[in-house]
Amino acid sequence: QSVLTQPPSVSAAPGQKVTISCSGSSSNIGANYVSWYQQLPGTAPKLLIYENNKRPPGIPDRFSGSKSVTSATLGITGLQTGDEADYYCGTWDSRVSVGVFGTGTKVTVL
Amino acid sequence: QVQLVESGGGVVQPGGSLRLSCAASGFTFSRYGMHWVRQAPGKGLEWVSFIRPDGSNKYYADSVKGRFTVSRDNSKITLYLQMNSLRPEDTAVYYCAKVDDLVTTYDYWGQGTLVTVSS
Repeated sequence: QSVLTQPPSVSAAPGQKVTISCSGSSSNIGANYVSWYQQLPGTAPKLLIYENNKRPPGIPDRFSGSKSVTSATLGITGLQTGDEADYYCGTWDSRVSVGVFGTGTKVTVL
Repeated sequence: QVQLVESGGGVVQPGGSLRLSCAASGFTFSRYGMHWVRQAPGKGLEWVSFIRPDGSNKYYADSVKGRFTVSRDNSKITLYLQMNSLRPEDTAVYYCAKVDDLVTTYDYWGQGTLVTVSS
């Protein structure tokens, strides 16, 4: 089934910036909003970004999202040790009517 | 506040069945679609199923189609996942997640329940 492609890992020093890409197709990212989720070790995923670039209440503006055609990007600025987690993009595939998630990216703070 | 609490996980033999439940509170359950998402040990998130607010439409991943059935009882404020013909590859933590106004946004997640399929 459809899977969105993310880099397996990204890393940077505290205070720096990382970006995570999410590549899809015209039937998923190209046709629907993208959301992003943070999964801290041993916990359930948590909504970080929705409708491509909106933050839920309580999510700091260090986290940002964007979308261009069939890909999306999550940015994290001012990296903190507490940001070490797995990050997933997600959307819906309108061609086959299924949910799809990215392969996941592990963020490491050096 | 929104709360989702899954239950019903456990150890089952291949070919067996389990029914998961997701008890909701803190929001008007009957107004929102609900997803099931699973995560195999050490792996990424895999979408399993989605059901619309009134239960009129249901969607499944190919990997579970014909074996799993999603349902909901809006009077009991509970979501279900009936899992039949279980396989070792179904071993995972199963999460229920609430949708906001769009199917693409999973705005609240439960803590998950572990299903282990093993002989």
